[in-house]
Amino acid sequence: QKEVEQDPGPLSVPEGAIVSLNCTYSNSAFQYFMWYRQYSRKGPELLMYTYSSGNKEDGRFTAQVDKSSKYISLFIRDSQPSDSATYLCAMTPFGNEKLTFGTGTRLTIIP
Amino acid sequence: AAGVIQSPRHLIKEKRETATLKCYPIPRHDTVYWYQQGPGQDPQFLISFYEKMQSDKGSIPDRFSAQQFSDYHSELNMSSLELGDSALYFCASSVRQGLLYNEQFFGPGTRLTVL
Repeated sequence: QKEVEQDPGPLSVPEGAIVSLNCTYSNSAFQYFMWYRQYSRKGPELLMYTYSSGNKEDGRFTAQVDKSSKYISLFIRDSQPSDSATYLCAMTPFGNEKLTFGTGTRLTIIP
Repeated sequence: AAGVIQSPRHLIKEKRETATLKCYPIPRHDTVYWYQQGPGQDPQFLISFYEKMQSDKGSIPDRFSAQQFSDYHSELNMSSLELGDSALYFCASSVRQGLLYNEQFFGPGTRLTVL
């Protein structure tokens, strides 16, 4: 069983909708949780990271971590066509160690 | 701003051939990570280097080797290539700041196709 599970989608929503992306994990040692966005034929780009449990907001993006449930979420408000990409969750026990990724969710925002 | 540079961007090889992938980290970054992403798969960690020393090793086949040079660039050498080695290979770099969060900046990847 994979350490990090993520619904691969694909997920299609109309422009302006709220998008919810989720990951679950099994390794309780994970303390740093990240969301990466990956456009086709490009490398992953960091959107947000969160340390331990809690919420973090950055513009239209909100990341939530619930360590007790081993569940993390990324919410995108007022979704735009430019948000169409694959979103990968990633996590690591310490800030300077290898990342363990989810499989990624392919998101399409329909104008 | 300078980004991580990977070369070549695309590489086509035959089975049993050898390939060398290169990674040039962001200036002043001292840590390099290599990841392999198969079609429709998540990136899998292969190996990392900090200050030219191997710092961690993941699911890297014995046919693969890597090193980080004095100028901090890194090379991933792959021998006896197999069809299953076809994937996107990412390099990421970061600046080590103890146990604090060190953002990993990813390069555009090298797409390796083994025929």
